[in-house]
Amino acid sequence: DVKVTQSSRYLVKRTGEKVFLECVQDMDHENMFWYRQDPGLGLRLIYFSYDVKMKEKGDIPEGYSVSREKKERFSLILESASTNQTSMYLCASRKSTGELFFGEGSRLTVL
Amino acid sequence: AQRVTQPEKLLSVFKGAPVELKCNYSYSGSPELFWYVQYSRQRLQLLLRHISRESIKGFTADLNKGETSFHLKKPFAQEEDSAMYYCALVTSGTYKYIFGTGTRLKVLA
Repeated sequence: DVKVTQSSRYLVKRTGEKVFLECVQDMDHENMFWYRQDPGLGLRLIYFSYDVKMKEKGDIPEGYSVSREKKERFSLILESASTNQTSMYLCASRKSTGELFFGEGSRLTVL
Repeated sequence: AQRVTQPEKLLSVFKGAPVELKCNYSYSGSPELFWYVQYSRQRLQLLLRHISRESIKGFTADLNKGETSFHLKKPFAQEEDSAMYYCALVTSGTYKYIFGTGTRLKVLA
């Protein structure tokens, strides 16, 4: 089974804190993605990476950055968390056939 | 701009009734379309894709290029079908998946 693992299921942070969300996949997929999932807004793409050290902005990259130093790991960074970044964050990796495999999600609350 | 529209936020049907979850897209090229499902307390997972033209858990979806639609259908809904359903579009030559806002399906006993 393809496994996409997000290290933190629930986080509570304060405004201004730096936040790291980590995602690891075990299927040697080249492409990885970070989405945020909000009620009524669906999934919105923050960043994606099509290979190691390659990244591209999605639709809502403001306030976020990413790191992909190794193929299996794709990290999302909030340099200075704000309350409007309270959300569910989903990581996904893409199989060559086009299917996305998702992690369980990281629910971030920024106070 | 490419877009996926799911007009219904919530769809409630009785068990055994037919169900249709609507998905319309805007894209001038050849799209690749998917339906993803998220059951309660589970991760989002692929339900079906238009290329494979297969039926998964009794669901089917046909790409209608004339109407730019990819509606998800099932003739007889089951309680276990209750979930959040997302339609997604991938434009040719990109890895960018565009998701709709989702439809929550509730199948009532």
